[in-house]
Amino acid sequence: DAGVTQSPTHLIKTRGQHVTLRCSPISGHKSVSWYQQVLGQGPQFIFQYYEKEERGRGNFPDRFSARQFPNYSSELNVNALLLGDSALYLCASSFGFSEQFFGPGTRLTVL
Amino acid sequence: RKEVEQDPGPFNVPEGATVAFNCTYSNSASQSFFWYRQDCRKEPKLLMSVYSSGNEDGRFTAQLNRASQYISLLIRDSKLSDSATYLCVVYTGKLIFGQGTTLQVKP
Repeated sequence: DAGVTQSPTHLIKTRGQHVTLRCSPISGHKSVSWYQQVLGQGPQFIFQYYEKEERGRGNFPDRFSARQFPNYSSELNVNALLLGDSALYLCASSFGFSEQFFGPGTRLTVL
Repeated sequence: RKEVEQDPGPFNVPEGATVAFNCTYSNSASQSFFWYRQDCRKEPKLLMSVYSSGNEDGRFTAQLNRASQYISLLIRDSKLSDSATYLCVVYTGKLIFGQGTTLQVKP
């Protein structure tokens, strides 16, 4: 069975641009969560979606938004990129809410 | 104060050693507890869930102490392949990760 997939794997953007990251959950999982991980730190929660509804939001500015589609895949959008947005963006899927399985991540570099 | 605190290490141990990691959490309403393993520049992988009764998976033993709000992970007979960062995670409606503890197992 396929695990969580994310695209693209790497991305380079410049300040002020916007970016869209994509995630497909494990088959049968209806919940998708997004995390940001900067070097040397643990992942930080951004959003959780379940059945296309936002179930939780972390302490991130409104430049960050997400949505979940009827097939349970998800997109994370970040507008007006800042240098500090450079990080590994991780998507996790779960059948319930707590036991989550991560995709390989998208490494975003903002120049 | 961080919601989940871990000693970042690094812990440098020889092969075959027993090593223990602890972490503390601040939210007494935390519902579920996990250890994840993360290799360099890879995604976190679920190692094990943690229960108050303690649970064991091969060389790995995890324990939860709700009264003291700490979680432990014991690795016996360390292998070179155990070298990684171990993330302590609590669920409070969202996953809260500790900073991670780096383990380096030397030959």
